[in-house]
Amino acid sequence: EADIYQTPRYLVIGTGKKITLECSQTMGHDKMYWYQQDPGMELHLIHYSYGVNSTEKGDLSSESTVSRIRTEHFPLTLESARPSHTSQYLCASSERGDPYNEQFFGPGTRLTVL
Amino acid sequence: SQQGEEDPQALSIQEGENATMNCSYKTSINNLQWYRQNSGRGLVHLILIRSNEREKHSGRLRVTLDTSKKSSSLLITASRAADTASYFCATDARGGKLIFGQGTELSVKP
Repeated sequence: EADIYQTPRYLVIGTGKKITLECSQTMGHDKMYWYQQDPGMELHLIHYSYGVNSTEKGDLSSESTVSRIRTEHFPLTLESARPSHTSQYLCASSERGDPYNEQFFGPGTRLTVL
Repeated sequence: SQQGEEDPQALSIQEGENATMNCSYKTSINNLQWYRQNSGRGLVHLILIRSNEREKHSGRLRVTLDTSKKSSSLLITASRAADTASYFCATDARGGKLIFGQGTELSVKP
Protein backbone atom coordinates (compact mmCIF):
# COMPACT_ATOMS: atom_id res chain seq x y z
CA GLU A 1 0.00 0.00 0.00
CA ALA A 2 1.29 3.42 -0.98
CA ASP A 3 2.51 5.63 1.85
CA ILE A 4 0.96 8.89 0.84
CA TYR A 5 -1.25 10.79 3.20
CA GLN A 6 -3.70 13.63 2.89
CA THR A 7 -5.33 15.67 5.61
CA PRO A 8 -8.00 16.55 6.26
CA ARG A 9 -10.12 13.90 4.54
CA TYR A 10 -13.20 16.11 4.65
CA LEU A 11 -13.43 19.87 5.09
CA VAL A 12 -16.48 22.13 5.15
CA ILE A 13 -15.71 25.82 5.38
CA GLY A 14 -17.27 29.18 4.71
CA THR A 15 -16.55 31.48 1.80
CA GLY A 16 -13.48 33.66 2.17
CA LYS A 17 -11.54 31.36 4.49
CA LYS A 18 -7.92 30.49 3.87
CA ILE A 19 -7.25 26.77 3.81
CA THR A 20 -4.29 24.48 3.37
CA LEU A 21 -4.63 20.91 2.22
CA GLU A 22 -1.77 18.73 3.39
CA CYS A 23 -0.07 15.99 1.42
CA SER A 24 2.89 13.94 2.60
CA GLN A 25 4.62 10.87 1.24
CA THR A 26 7.22 8.63 2.84
CA MET A 27 8.47 6.95 -0.33
CA GLY A 28 11.15 9.51 -1.14
CA HIS A 29 9.50 10.33 -4.46
CA ASP A 30 10.75 13.42 -6.26
CA LYS A 31 7.62 13.99 -8.32
CA MET A 32 4.37 15.09 -6.70
CA TYR A 33 1.03 16.13 -8.18
CA TRP A 34 -2.28 17.71 -7.24
CA TYR A 35 -5.44 16.78 -9.13
CA GLN A 36 -8.95 18.18 -8.88
CA GLN A 37 -11.86 15.83 -9.47
CA ASP A 38 -15.56 16.60 -9.48
CA PRO A 39 -17.96 13.69 -8.72
CA GLY A 40 -18.12 11.22 -11.58
CA MET A 41 -15.63 13.18 -13.63
CA GLU A 42 -12.06 12.84 -14.81
CA LEU A 43 -9.03 14.06 -12.91
CA HIS A 44 -7.54 17.39 -13.86
CA LEU A 45 -3.93 18.18 -13.04
CA ILE A 46 -3.70 21.55 -11.26
CA HIS A 47 -0.13 21.55 -9.91
CA TYR A 48 2.99 19.42 -10.03
CA SER A 49 6.50 19.41 -8.70
CA TYR A 50 9.62 17.57 -9.78
CA GLY A 51 11.59 18.27 -6.63
CA VAL A 52 12.31 20.70 -3.83
CA ASN A 53 11.71 24.33 -4.81
CA SER A 54 10.19 23.23 -8.12
CA THR A 55 6.49 23.84 -8.78
CA GLU A 56 4.53 24.15 -12.01
CA LYS A 57 0.93 24.83 -12.91
CA GLY A 58 -1.00 21.97 -14.46
CA ASP A 59 -3.42 21.79 -17.32
CA LEU A 60 -6.42 23.13 -15.39
CA SER A 61 -6.20 26.69 -14.19
CA SER A 62 -6.56 26.92 -10.44
CA GLU A 63 -6.56 29.76 -7.95
CA SER A 64 -4.70 27.58 -5.49
CA THR A 65 -0.96 27.72 -4.83
CA VAL A 66 1.52 25.07 -3.79
CA SER A 67 4.96 24.90 -2.22
CA ARG A 68 7.66 22.24 -2.08
CA ILE A 69 10.12 23.05 0.68
CA ARG A 70 10.70 19.42 1.63
CA THR A 71 10.73 16.36 -0.59
CA GLU A 72 8.02 14.61 1.37
CA HIS A 73 5.61 17.51 1.73
CA PHE A 74 3.48 19.23 -0.96
CA PRO A 75 0.76 21.41 0.58
CA LEU A 76 -1.92 23.19 -1.44
CA THR A 77 -3.31 26.53 -0.27
CA LEU A 78 -6.43 28.48 -1.16
CA GLU A 79 -6.15 32.07 0.08
CA SER A 80 -9.87 32.78 -0.13
CA ALA A 81 -12.14 29.81 -0.67
CA ARG A 82 -15.26 30.12 -2.81
CA PRO A 83 -18.14 27.72 -3.54
CA SER A 84 -16.63 27.09 -6.99
CA HIS A 85 -13.67 25.45 -5.21
CA THR A 86 -15.92 22.69 -3.90
CA SER A 87 -14.39 19.48 -5.23
CA GLN A 88 -12.23 16.51 -4.35
CA TYR A 89 -8.49 17.15 -4.32
CA LEU A 90 -6.16 14.21 -4.89
CA CYS A 91 -2.43 14.21 -4.25
CA ALA A 92 -0.09 11.76 -5.97
CA SER A 93 3.61 11.02 -6.23
CA SER A 94 5.98 9.08 -8.46
CA GLU A 95 9.67 8.30 -8.68
CA ARG A 96 11.92 10.59 -10.67
CA GLY A 97 13.79 7.67 -12.19
CA ASP A 98 10.63 5.80 -13.20
CA PRO A 99 10.33 6.20 -16.97
CA TYR A 100 6.84 4.78 -16.92
CA ASN A 101 5.54 7.19 -14.34
CA GLU A 102 3.29 5.01 -12.21
CA GLN A 103 1.64 7.33 -9.74
CA PHE A 104 0.66 6.58 -6.15
CA PHE A 105 -2.39 8.40 -4.84
CA GLY A 106 -3.47 9.61 -1.45
CA PRO A 107 -7.06 9.08 -0.25
CA GLY A 108 -8.12 12.60 -1.23
CA THR A 109 -9.61 15.62 0.52
CA ARG A 110 -13.24 16.37 -0.16
CA LEU A 111 -13.69 20.13 0.15
CA THR A 112 -17.04 21.85 0.48
CA VAL A 113 -17.18 25.65 0.50
CA LEU A 114 -20.48 27.09 1.66
CA SER B 1 -9.69 18.17 -25.21
CA GLN B 2 -9.14 15.05 -23.16
CA GLN B 3 -6.49 12.66 -24.35
CA GLY B 4 -8.38 9.63 -23.15
CA GLU B 5 -12.02 8.82 -23.65
CA GLU B 6 -13.59 5.78 -22.10
CA ASP B 7 -16.47 3.66 -23.15
CA PRO B 8 -18.90 2.81 -21.72
CA GLN B 9 -19.39 5.52 -19.12
CA ALA B 10 -21.21 3.05 -16.91
CA LEU B 11 -21.47 -0.73 -16.88
CA SER B 12 -23.61 -2.97 -14.69
CA ILE B 13 -23.07 -6.73 -14.63
CA GLN B 14 -23.71 -9.75 -12.45
CA GLU B 15 -21.05 -11.36 -10.31
CA GLY B 16 -19.12 -13.93 -12.30
CA GLU B 17 -19.53 -12.16 -15.62
CA ASN B 18 -16.69 -10.51 -17.50
CA ALA B 19 -16.42 -6.73 -17.75
CA THR B 20 -14.80 -4.97 -20.67
CA MET B 21 -13.92 -1.29 -20.72
CA ASN B 22 -12.41 0.61 -23.61
CA CYS B 23 -10.18 3.64 -23.81
CA SER B 24 -9.29 5.72 -26.85
CA TYR B 25 -6.63 8.39 -27.05
CA LYS B 26 -5.49 10.96 -29.55
CA THR B 27 -1.72 11.38 -29.59
CA SER B 28 1.18 8.95 -29.60
CA ILE B 29 2.09 7.48 -26.24
CA ASN B 30 4.95 5.71 -24.47
CA ASN B 31 2.66 3.78 -22.19
CA LEU B 32 -0.92 3.50 -21.04
CA GLN B 33 -2.01 2.77 -17.51
CA TRP B 34 -5.24 1.68 -15.87
CA TYR B 35 -6.30 2.80 -12.41
CA ARG B 36 -9.21 1.90 -10.13
CA GLN B 37 -11.00 4.32 -7.84
CA ASN B 38 -13.35 3.17 -5.15
CA SER B 39 -16.07 5.64 -4.29
CA GLY B 40 -14.67 8.79 -2.71
CA ARG B 41 -11.13 7.44 -2.50
CA GLY B 42 -7.80 7.88 -4.24
CA LEU B 43 -6.76 5.95 -7.31
CA VAL B 44 -4.93 2.65 -7.26
CA HIS B 45 -2.63 1.63 -10.08
CA LEU B 46 -3.71 -1.63 -11.72
CA ILE B 47 -1.54 -2.26 -14.73
CA LEU B 48 0.75 -0.55 -17.22
CA ILE B 49 1.22 -1.51 -20.84
CA ARG B 50 4.03 -0.09 -22.93
CA SER B 51 3.57 1.12 -26.47
CA ASN B 52 5.52 -1.86 -27.86
CA GLU B 53 3.32 -4.36 -26.03
CA ARG B 54 0.01 -5.67 -27.34
CA GLU B 55 -1.35 -7.56 -24.37
CA LYS B 56 -0.65 -7.88 -20.70
CA HIS B 57 -2.14 -9.93 -17.88
CA SER B 58 -2.29 -9.45 -14.14
CA GLY B 59 -4.44 -11.87 -12.19
CA ARG B 60 -8.00 -11.46 -13.47
CA LEU B 61 -7.05 -8.40 -15.50
CA ARG B 62 -6.20 -8.45 -19.17
CA VAL B 63 -5.19 -5.29 -21.01
CA THR B 64 -4.76 -4.91 -24.73
CA LEU B 65 -3.26 -2.03 -26.65
CA ASP B 66 -3.72 -1.24 -30.32
CA THR B 67 -1.51 1.71 -31.17
CA SER B 68 -2.73 1.77 -34.78
CA LYS B 69 -6.25 2.44 -33.53
CA LYS B 70 -5.07 4.42 -30.52
CA SER B 71 -7.17 2.32 -28.21
CA SER B 72 -6.89 0.03 -25.23
CA SER B 73 -9.24 -2.30 -23.44
CA LEU B 74 -9.38 -3.60 -19.90
CA LEU B 75 -11.03 -6.96 -19.30
CA ILE B 76 -11.91 -8.11 -15.81
CA THR B 77 -12.77 -11.79 -15.79
CA ALA B 78 -15.06 -13.53 -13.29
CA SER B 79 -16.03 -10.23 -11.71
CA ARG B 80 -16.78 -9.89 -8.01
CA ALA B 81 -18.84 -7.39 -6.06
CA ALA B 82 -15.56 -5.98 -4.73
CA ASP B 83 -14.65 -4.97 -8.31
CA THR B 84 -17.34 -2.29 -8.14
CA ALA B 85 -15.45 0.95 -8.74
CA SER B 86 -14.58 3.50 -11.38
CA TYR B 87 -11.83 2.58 -13.80
CA PHE B 88 -9.64 5.16 -15.51
CA CYS B 89 -7.13 4.90 -18.29
CA ALA B 90 -4.20 7.31 -18.28
CA THR B 91 -1.69 8.11 -20.96
CA ASP B 92 1.69 9.70 -20.49
CA ALA B 93 2.28 13.23 -21.68
CA ARG B 94 5.30 15.47 -21.95
CA GLY B 95 7.18 16.03 -18.77
CA GLY B 96 6.12 12.79 -17.19
CA LYS B 97 2.57 13.91 -16.55
CA LEU B 98 -0.46 11.65 -16.94
CA ILE B 99 -3.69 12.51 -18.72
CA PHE B 100 -6.72 10.67 -17.41
CA GLY B 101 -9.84 9.61 -19.23
CA GLN B 102 -13.34 10.22 -17.93
CA GLY B 103 -13.61 6.78 -16.45
CA THR B 104 -16.01 3.85 -16.58
CA GLU B 105 -18.21 3.27 -13.57
CA LEU B 106 -18.50 -0.48 -13.02
CA SER B 107 -21.19 -1.97 -10.82
CA VAL B 108 -21.04 -5.68 -10.07
CA LYS B 109 -24.21 -7.02 -8.52
CA PRO B 110 -24.03 -10.04 -6.22
